[in-house]
Amino acid sequence: DIQMTQSPSSLSASVGDSVTITCRASQGLTNRLTWFQQKPGKAPKSLIYAASSLQSGVPSRFSGSGSGTDFTLTISSLQPEDFATYYCQQYTAYPLNFGGGTKVELK
Amino acid sequence: EMQLVESGGGLVQPGGSLRLSCAASGLTFSDHYMAWVRQPPGTGPEWVGRIRDKTKSSTTDYAASVKGRFTISRDDSGNSLYLHMSSLKTEDTAVYYCVRELRDNTGFYYFDKWGQGTLVTVSS
Repeated sequence: DIQMTQSPSSLSASVGDSVTITCRASQGLTNRLTWFQQKPGKAPKSLIYAASSLQSGVPSRFSGSGSGTDFTLTISSLQPEDFATYYCQQYTAYPLNFGGGTKVELK
Repeated sequence: EMQLVESGGGLVQPGGSLRLSCAASGLTFSDHYMAWVRQPPGTGPEWVGRIRDKTKSSTTDYAASVKGRFTISRDDSGNSLYLHMSSLKTEDTAVYYCVRELRDNTGFYYFDKWGQGTLVTVSS
């Protein structure tokens, strides 16, 4: 199985800050990685697929990069609605595993 | 607007069975791969399984933790996805999500739109 490791597990930031979340895969994914945002009590929402392609309707302050085993999600100017938990997920091999999540909290 | 609406969750005893449904609207359901993903309380999501479209004979794949106990099926004429769960265990307790998959430009499928989820609680 491919293991997905996210860091940090949580971070505190202020509105307007730029934040970066890292996701590392135990095997190469080429670029088959997605990022999701989840707010409490809600379903995950897809932000980015293929490592760097923005889903329709997702603000441009979200960006993804990386290939192989190392990937990042960057939020360039944090907005109040961005405080949530973020997950990466690989879709190159079964089982389609998720990272452990990164909780972005208000400082 | 596309919608996926799950139903059928509830409380079931260990060893019992349950069938979840997902009603799809606002999309050409038969064209899409679909998946079930679950999320146990307080933890991250976990892939349960996938069903391909009719061009791939609606074949299925499952996570090892549910293989042989869970079955995914679809009714393209009724725009519905199903998850038949049997021999349920306490560790199957989770919110279950119905998810549409899309194909990227490498030919692999990624999770796109999620339903709101339905809670399954396995407890005596």
